[in-house]
Amino acid sequence: DIVMTQSPATLSVSPGERATLSCRAARSATTNLAWYHQKPGQAPRLLIYGASTRAPGIPARFSGSGSRTEFTLTIDSLQSEDFAVYYCQQYNNWPFTFGGGTKVEIK
Amino acid sequence: EVQLVQSGAEIKKPGESLKISCKGSGYRFPGYWIGWVRQMPGKGLEWMGIIYPADSDTRYSPSFQGQVTISADKSISTAYLQWSSLKASDTAIYYCARHGLTHDAFDVWGQGTMVTVSS
Repeated sequence: DIVMTQSPATLSVSPGERATLSCRAARSATTNLAWYHQKPGQAPRLLIYGASTRAPGIPARFSGSGSRTEFTLTIDSLQSEDFAVYYCQQYNNWPFTFGGGTKVEIK
Repeated sequence: EVQLVQSGAEIKKPGESLKISCKGSGYRFPGYWIGWVRQMPGKGLEWMGIIYPADSDTRYSPSFQGQVTISADKSISTAYLQWSSLKASDTAIYYCARHGLTHDAFDVWGQGTMVTVSS
């Protein structure tokens, strides 16, 4: 299995500020990397796939970058609805493993 | 509208069997991989396995191989996750989700099924 490690575990950010989340793969995932967020009581929602392609309907303040083993999700000008848990997932090799998550909370 | 609708919450006893469902609509169900994801209480997401309904090709995570069975009936656009003998540690929310057509990220998710196993 490819182990996915996210950091930090918790990120405290003020509304309007930028958040930068990291995801590291234990071995190369090429660019087969997705980001999701999950709000309490809801199913996850796809934000980014292919490491940098926004899913339909996702605002431009969300951007993804990286390849192989190092990936970043950047959220510009955080809105109230962005406070949630964020997960990365590699889909380069079965099983398609998730990271442990980063909780973005209001500072 | 593309959607996945899962069956309702279940309360079972250890040792009992269970089969939960995930019905797709608004798209060509056989042509998209459907996966299952576990979320234990207060924890993160775990990829369990995936099935291609057109031919029932199935892949399991080693962590779940032998513990659950994934199946699908393309004639009624429904995927299933089943257990033959539940344990208390199976208590979790189970999500089904669909791969994209051009990528293998999960682009559509079901609402989740809460399974509680308790004596």
